[in-house]
Amino acid sequence: DIQMTQSPSSLSASVGDRVTITCRASQSISSYLNWYQQKPGKAPKLLIYATSSLQSGVPSRFSGSESGTDFTLTISSLQPEDFATYYCQQSYSTPPYTFGQGTKLEIK
Amino acid sequence: EVQLVESGGGLVQPGGSLRLSCAASGFTFSNYWMTWVRQAPGMGLEWVANIKQDGSEKYYVDSVKGRFTISRDNAKNSLYLQMNSLRAEDTAVYYCSRGRGYSSTWGQGTLVTVSS
Repeated sequence: DIQMTQSPSSLSASVGDRVTITCRASQSISSYLNWYQQKPGKAPKLLIYATSSLQSGVPSRFSGSESGTDFTLTISSLQPEDFATYYCQQSYSTPPYTFGQGTKLEIK
Repeated sequence: EVQLVESGGGLVQPGGSLRLSCAASGFTFSNYWMTWVRQAPGMGLEWVANIKQDGSEKYYVDSVKGRFTISRDNAKNSLYLQMNSLRAEDTAVYYCSRGRGYSSTWGQGTLVTVSS
């Protein structure tokens, strides 16, 4: 199975900061990388699919990019509602479609 | 409004069985792959299984193969997860979601607790 390694596991930042979260795949996954946001007690919410495609209704301050097997989620200017846990997920070829371990974004 | 509502969770003893259901509404259920994802308490997300539109293809994570069965009834707009030989490590909130690779819509989840 493909392993996904997220970094950092936790992150403290302030409103207005630019934040990046990285996800590394254990092998090539082409551009089949998705990002989710989850708030406590709630279901995950799809933010970005296929590396850089913004899901409908998601603010444009969220963006995604890739460099080889490294993928990045960037939040250009943190808003209070962005403090949450973020997960990457690969959906390349045959399942299982594994998730990263998550990055908890906290208020500094 | 697109909606997924899970049910069927609860407390079950190790070795027991449980059947989860997911009722879909607001979209043409038979047009979509469907997926189950779980989350153990305080832990991350784990992809569990998915099923093709007509049920002809099913995939599972290794840890549930031979114990869990995903199925669907397109006439009833419903997705199911039959869970047998349950273990303590299966304790989690189980989410159903719409999609094959990425999940664009999620239910609220149903909690399964495996304990004696």
